[in-house]
Amino acid sequence: QKEVEQNSGPLSVPEGAIASLNCTYSDRVSQSFFWYRQYSGKSPELIMSIYSNGDKEDGRFTAQLNKASQYVSLLIRDSQPSDSATYLCAVNTGNQFYFGTGTSLTVIP
Amino acid sequence: DAGVIQSPRHEVTEMGQEVTLRCKPISGHDYLFWYRQTMMRGLELLIYFNNNVPIDDSGMPEDRFSAKMPNASFSTLKIQPSEPRDSAVYFCASSRGTRRNEQFFGPGTRLTVL
Repeated sequence: QKEVEQNSGPLSVPEGAIASLNCTYSDRVSQSFFWYRQYSGKSPELIMSIYSNGDKEDGRFTAQLNKASQYVSLLIRDSQPSDSATYLCAVNTGNQFYFGTGTSLTVIP
Repeated sequence: DAGVIQSPRHEVTEMGQEVTLRCKPISGHDYLFWYRQTMMRGLELLIYFNNNVPIDDSGMPEDRFSAKMPNASFSTLKIQPSEPRDSAVYFCASSRGTRRNEQFFGPGTRLTVL
């Protein structure tokens, strides 16, 4: 079992819709959780971090964490074509840092 | 404020040659990470340093790979000898602190081993 699992997609949503990206992790001692966005041919860019159960909102992005279910999600409201990218979920267990393989998102104009 | 700087951006070499990748972290960051990204395996952590000291190198694939951080502003990842399966994009990232570890990535080095 991989430490961090994501659906690879591709996920396609129409412009203006809500995109929902999901991630599960295996290590219960995981402490910090992150979402990175990576455009094709570019480096990952941190867009959200979350450390406590519940929701955290930043503009059009909302991260949700449920430690009991070992589940992290990212919601993108009012999706724009510029949101088309691969989204990587990352987990810090305190000693190690694991990335998922990413979910490819396409926002259709 | 300059971000993480990596060089070279592209490297093409022949099997058996030594390859050295370089990284300058963001000033003030005390953690430095080396990653490798391929289509098949995604983003893999190779090694990370704290205050110039290697903390965890369990991701280094084999003895052909080595990494050093002689000072707070410079790190190298060396592959000797290189093999075609080492072809990947290698990223360096830096951060401040560990538990709440928000990493900033460099532009990467695309390595092709022929």
